[in-house]
This record gives sequence, C-alpha cells and structure tokens, in this order.
Amino acid sequence: DAKTTQPTSMDCAEGRAANLPCNHSTISGNEYVYWYRQIHSQGPQYIIHGLKNNETNEMASLIITEDRKSSTLILPHATLRDTAVYYCIALFSGAGSYQLTFGKGTKLSVIP
Amino acid sequence: NAGVTQTPKFQVLKTGQSMTLQCAQDMNHNSMYWYRQDPGMGLRLIYYSASEGTTDKGEVPNGYNVSRLNKREFSLRLESAAPSQTSVYFCASSLRTDSGNTIYFGEGSWLTVV
Repeated sequence: DAKTTQPTSMDCAEGRAANLPCNHSTISGNEYVYWYRQIHSQGPQYIIHGLKNNETNEMASLIITEDRKSSTLILPHATLRDTAVYYCIALFSGAGSYQLTFGKGTKLSVIP
Repeated sequence: NAGVTQTPKFQVLKTGQSMTLQCAQDMNHNSMYWYRQDPGMGLRLIYYSASEGTTDKGEVPNGYNVSRLNKREFSLRLESAAPSQTSVYFCASSLRTDSGNTIYFGEGSWLTVV
C-alpha cells in the first residue's frame, strides 16, 4: 500500500470548515484513499473513502485530485467533538489485501 | 445493531498468566482482525481472518494465538502474558465489496500485564 504523508497537527475554529490534507504521491490505480479518526484512545472510526471521484457523506467530504496524488478531508462545520487524530490511508482493494496501515495521522484540535 | 463488540474492556494480568479476548460482530462481515496500539503509537495488525476457517499472521503475531470460532466471532489468546503485551487491543471486521474493504473497529480492550 502507498505511503501517505499528513501534517502532524492542525487547529480549526469551532464552526469553521476543517480541511485536512494528505499526500499519497505513489498511490496506484487500484488503491482507495480511506480516512479514519481516533478520539482519545477509542476505537478508530471510519469516516469516508474514495477511489477517483469526490465523495460526500453525513460526516465529511473527500476531495481527490485528478492525478490522485493528494486528497483533502473536509469537515464542513467543525465541533469540539471533532477533536481527534485523523488518519489518511491508501488501501489496495484487491483480493489478499487486509492490512490497514496507520501512520501517525494529523492531530486536529477544534478551538472554541 | 451493535457492530463490533469486545470483552473484557479492562484486564490486569500477572506475567505468565493466560487469557482470551473475545470479539463478535453482527454485520455479517467475512473478515475479522486483531490490532494492538501502544501508547503514542499507531495500530499494528496482530492476526487477521480473511474468511471463516482461515487465519493469517499480521505484523506482530508473536505471543498470540487466534481462533475464528464462526463467522461472527474471532478470539485472541495470550498463552503466557508478558509486560511487553501491555497495550490496547482492537478487534475489527470488514466486508469486501466492489467499492472497497471498509474496516470497522470495536471500542478496545485495555490490557495491563504486571
């Protein structure tokens, strides 16, 4: 699975959009981009994933560049409960791939 | 729909004792996983079961055994606990579809070996 690079930490004002970048310049065509978050040692929580197209769900939006070398997770209206470590992961979608490799992620602090 | 349920949530063991962490999922997922997370570190895969009846080693399998009891349940056993196995353990499950292999996690089991 491709290596991903994220900033170590970010701040965001409560109520504003949080934009979390991720670089995955070596991603291959059959690797999905997944986003998870972990709030204070709870189990990692799935947020969203995508392959080529931008995706949106009730939690967030995922914008993937046309060349797929980077992506941005957008939390449209950040709340204090969104303070967490956010992980961007590239995961091969084919048979035999099961290991979700978590890096250090981005620690997002939502400021009142 | 409880998702992925792990028991126990907290456990203290003495060095050399054995114990089993239990995990069950009610999402009819084919694949199940056990991860560990040490303080300030990312998750590391211990073992996984791609489907009922199969198990495979992950990144850090030494000192652990697993059993895929049925499609719902996947247990992790420590035969002779060591202080280095003090960690938070997460069970997870997933179902591979045409749109990916999304993995869902339990809330964690905190294990301390003294």
